[in-house]
Formats: sequence, structure tokens, C-alpha cells
Amino acid sequence: EVQLVESGGGLVQSGGSLRLSCAASGFTFSHFWMSWVRQTPGKGLEWVATIKPDGSEKYYVDSVEGRFTISRDNAKNLLYLQMHSLRAEDTAVHYCAREWGSSFDCWGQGTLVTVSS
Amino acid sequence: QSVLTQPPSVSAAPGQKVTISCSGSSSNIGNNYVSWYQQLPGTAPKLLIYENDKRPSGIPDRFSGSKSGTSATLGITGLQTGDEADYYCATWDRKVFGGGTKLTVL
Repeated sequence: EVQLVESGGGLVQSGGSLRLSCAASGFTFSHFWMSWVRQTPGKGLEWVATIKPDGSEKYYVDSVEGRFTISRDNAKNLLYLQMHSLRAEDTAVHYCAREWGSSFDCWGQGTLVTVSS
Repeated sequence: QSVLTQPPSVSAAPGQKVTISCSGSSSNIGNNYVSWYQQLPGTAPKLLIYENDKRPSGIPDRFSGSKSGTSATLGITGLQTGDEADYYCATWDRKVFGGGTKLTVL
């Protein structure tokens, strides 16, 4: 069974940092593009970042460019999102998602990031 | 406010059919695949339709997708109370999501 399990969310002050992790199982992790997608009550779903299977290409939404870094450890089947200079508007449930067929075909349960001002 | 426009809410009775629209432009829907996601209360989104009209394994054929020009449509037939959820469209180029539509099964 394909499974994605996020961890690392929590409460952090504005300007602070946090690292999210996503443990993948049930599929060949190193073969898939992976993404982070977040959801806020006000703005709905928002794609955040994507990484190529070998980690050689990374893409970000403009609002996090330069503050967030997506990375992966294919040996450990782990996806990461390092977040710096966090802002109140980064408050959201963050999901890791597998990409397939021009879609996000599998999602984790999400981890909540709350940035207090 | 998303570049993909969905109606905030739709409703229909059990057993009936409902359609949810997703309107965009030539820069998004017009030149990219559309996917649809179902989000039941308190859960993560789930892929319903990919590449405009394809259903992943395990998705019942009550769910269908179509695309024409700069708009896409999700259709659900034989509505069940368990279909009450938020539904989101998305395009692949810049991975943009619609604002979501809340389906109420009366």
C-alpha cells in the first residue's frame, strides 16, 4: 500500500524555521517526482514545491522562493521541506504528495504549521 | 483568489447528477491537463480524475471529467451522502488549484 506520512509541523514564531519530513512507503520512491502542497482556510490548496526523482531539479511557488528548500533522501525514502523566515501567511496544513499522470495521485495526512506573530 | 474559478457550492438530492465547473484561460486550462480532487471532511485530498478525463484505479465510474477550451467539468452521477465533500480542480503547468466547491447531498 502506498503511504506518505508527514511529520515536523508545529507552532513557530514569525521569522523562525521548521523542517518537515515525509516518509514514503509502498512504492519505489526514487522513481517519482514529489511535491509539497499546503492548505489554508482562506486560500485553499496551494502547490509549494516539487523535486525531481534524482533531486537535480527543484521548483517553488514564488511566495516561498528563497525561503523554503525541498530535498529528498532516496536511500531513506524521505522527502523534506526546510522552511526559513516563516511568516503568518505560511500557516497551513502541509501535505506531501506524489506526482503521477500530471496530477498528485497520493497524499499524506498532512502536518499543521502555525506561525505566530 | 485562484485563477481557476469554481462555484463555491453545489447541491443535489441523493441519486441525482451534479456537475462542477472549473473555468480558466488559455494560459492554464486551455493548454494543460486538468485533474480533480475530492476532500472529505477532515481528510487529505484524493485524486478523482487525471489528464482531463481519466479515472485512477478504484474510482467509480460515477465520477467523470471533461475539458473543452478553457473550462473543465467534473460530473458525479448517482449521488450518495458519502459524496459530500469539497472538490478541487487543478491544472498541471503551474500546478494551480481552483478555489474549491462544496458539494451538499440534500
